[in-house]
Amino acid sequence: DQQVKQNSPSLSVQEGRISILNCDYTNSMFDYFLWYKKYPAEGPTFLISISSIKDKNEDGRFTVFLNKSAKHLSLHIVPSQPGDSAVYFCAALVTGGGNKLTFGTGTQLKVEL
Amino acid sequence: GAVVSQHPSRVICKSGTSVKIECRSLDFQATTMFWYRQFPKQSLMLMATSNEGSKATYEQGVEKDKFLINHASLTLSTLTVTSAHPEDSSFYICSARAPGKRANQPQHFGDGTRLSIL
Repeated sequence: DQQVKQNSPSLSVQEGRISILNCDYTNSMFDYFLWYKKYPAEGPTFLISISSIKDKNEDGRFTVFLNKSAKHLSLHIVPSQPGDSAVYFCAALVTGGGNKLTFGTGTQLKVEL
Repeated sequence: GAVVSQHPSRVICKSGTSVKIECRSLDFQATTMFWYRQFPKQSLMLMATSNEGSKATYEQGVEKDKFLINHASLTLSTLTVTSAHPEDSSFYICSARAPGKRANQPQHFGDGTRLSIL
């Protein structure tokens, strides 16, 4: 039972354009969401997060949007840079649930010159 | 920033061997560490929560006698895959909750261990 889903295994975007990575979840108990970025042969690194009491959080080129009614969140990267090429994981947790993360399957982003 | 070190990065061994993987928090104390497993083209799946000075908490379906976890200090947790078989071949990765007072502090991950059982 995949509670966090990233339906696009890959995404290709031109440098300078916007990258939009999508994530859907089914567990309505999730109230905190995170995006992690992973390069080959390295562990995931934390990128940005959002609490369910918000619908948007911005940090530099990265913005996460949350639509609770649709159980959907997205990560926007603008402008996209070649160094952004990586696998992006969406993760969710229930506050007070022991900080246990439930991950999506990841989206491979390729930013082309 | 906080760093988590995981060792070894790759293990290839024969069926029946027990394999130990170490996870260290390098510049902070971690009372809680997490162990995940990732099969090809699947998501990271939480196996267990490692608590310093107490027994690990295992997720449903994870055999605690197969995957032994020890968290003897505030900077080290170990995962031992006992009598490993080919179906245990996977990518194992640990994480530690970053220090801080926020309820949902992000986890910092090691670089993972690729385990291949022949």
